[in-house]
Amino acid sequence: DAGVTQSPTHLIKTRGQHVTLRCSPISGHKSVSWYQQVLGQGPQFIFQYYEKEERGRGNFPDRFSARQFPNYSSELNVNALLLGDSALYLCASSPPGRSGEQYFGPGTRLTVT
Amino acid sequence: AQKITQTQPGMFVQEKEAVTLDCTYDTSDPSYGLFWYKQPSSGEMIFLIYQGSYDQQNATEGRYSLNFQKARKSANLVISASQLGDSAMYFCAMRERETGANNLFFGTGTRLTVIP
Repeated sequence: DAGVTQSPTHLIKTRGQHVTLRCSPISGHKSVSWYQQVLGQGPQFIFQYYEKEERGRGNFPDRFSARQFPNYSSELNVNALLLGDSALYLCASSPPGRSGEQYFGPGTRLTVT
Repeated sequence: AQKITQTQPGMFVQEKEAVTLDCTYDTSDPSYGLFWYKQPSSGEMIFLIYQGSYDQQNATEGRYSLNFQKARKSANLVISASQLGDSAMYFCAMRERETGANNLFFGTGTRLTVIP
């Protein structure tokens, strides 16, 4: 079975631009979570979506938004990019009834210049 | 206060030896879960082992075991018979039921290097 997939793998953007990152969960998984991992740190929770509804939000500014589609894939959008947004963005999906288990994708490495 | 503390930035272990990676946590939620993930240089987080706060027995998964000491709020990962492929970053994480969401709180990680 295919794991969690994310696109693109790498991305370079300029300050002030916006970016859209994409995630496809494991087949059958309805919950998707997004994390930001700055170099040298552990991942930090951004959003969780379940059945297309936001279920949780971390301590991130409103420049960060996300949505989930009927096929359970998800997009993370970041507006007005700052240098500090440079990070590895990880997506994780969870199986129904076992929301504590999270399976991560390979991540998208975003560099803001 | 940090929810997850990993005090070992780096650890070295000889191949085939056992190693313990430390993790302490802080929560007032009586129901929580503790996780360990491995992150190779490729970046993907690989789930290793899970311990629920109400589990009576320490979790084990192959060469991985979790030394859960609830009173001390510690959840150390023990890797037995280390292999070269175990060299990676290791993260301890916690999920609290009270948050309602499915988010994990991660520590800052421990970089494990296995020496041949």
